[in-house]
Amino acid sequence: DTEVTQTPKHLVMGMTNKKSLKCEQHMGHRAMYWYKQKAKKPPELMFVYSYEKLSINESVPSRFSPECPNSSLLNLHLHALQPEDSALYLCASSQGPSGLLSYEQYFGPGTRLTVT
Amino acid sequence: AQSVSQHNHHVILSEAASLELGCNYSYGGTVNLFWYVQYPGQHLQLLLKYFSGDPLVKGIKGFEAEFIKSKFSFNLRKPSVQWSDTAEYFCAVAGNQFYFGTGTSLTVIP
Repeated sequence: DTEVTQTPKHLVMGMTNKKSLKCEQHMGHRAMYWYKQKAKKPPELMFVYSYEKLSINESVPSRFSPECPNSSLLNLHLHALQPEDSALYLCASSQGPSGLLSYEQYFGPGTRLTVT
Repeated sequence: AQSVSQHNHHVILSEAASLELGCNYSYGGTVNLFWYVQYPGQHLQLLLKYFSGDPLVKGIKGFEAEFIKSKFSFNLRKPSVQWSDTAEYFCAVAGNQFYFGTGTSLTVIP
């Protein structure tokens, strides 16, 4: 069983909607990540939080807005998305922050997002 | 610049066949190495990892991988695959960044 949980499992939204994806980890990790994954492709890094502060933003469009309320929670706020944003959105966590990006990451099951 | 390559994009094997999936990286410094598996409809799971020490590492489900520093490789092996090993396999390398390879789709035919 994964110790990284994500809700919802599936989400369908229109291009004018506002929605949020939620992630929670129960491993005491101090680094958390958002990835986007298209079918049969590797995950693409979007954001990295370290000690609740945004450390890395991989030039993600502003229609994606991350938030880290505390060390266990990570949200991704979505607004005015495009159909090409349809994908599996994965949350991950790892120990850190020293050696950030050096340690194994533990992934949640993802949210399957469809933008209509 | 750091990069990871997996040359086998799609592998088809019969049950009980042996498996070897290639992973090569380019990075001049110290790296940590990982193999992840993604079963159909499931989340990414860590199969095994290498940080230091014995270059032959054993992971879950009978998988192992060997780090060959001179070849910048970290190939994944399993002596006898099962139908349940059908999945996407991703190599990942952590140097100054965390990079996934492009993935290998493994299909095991019963």
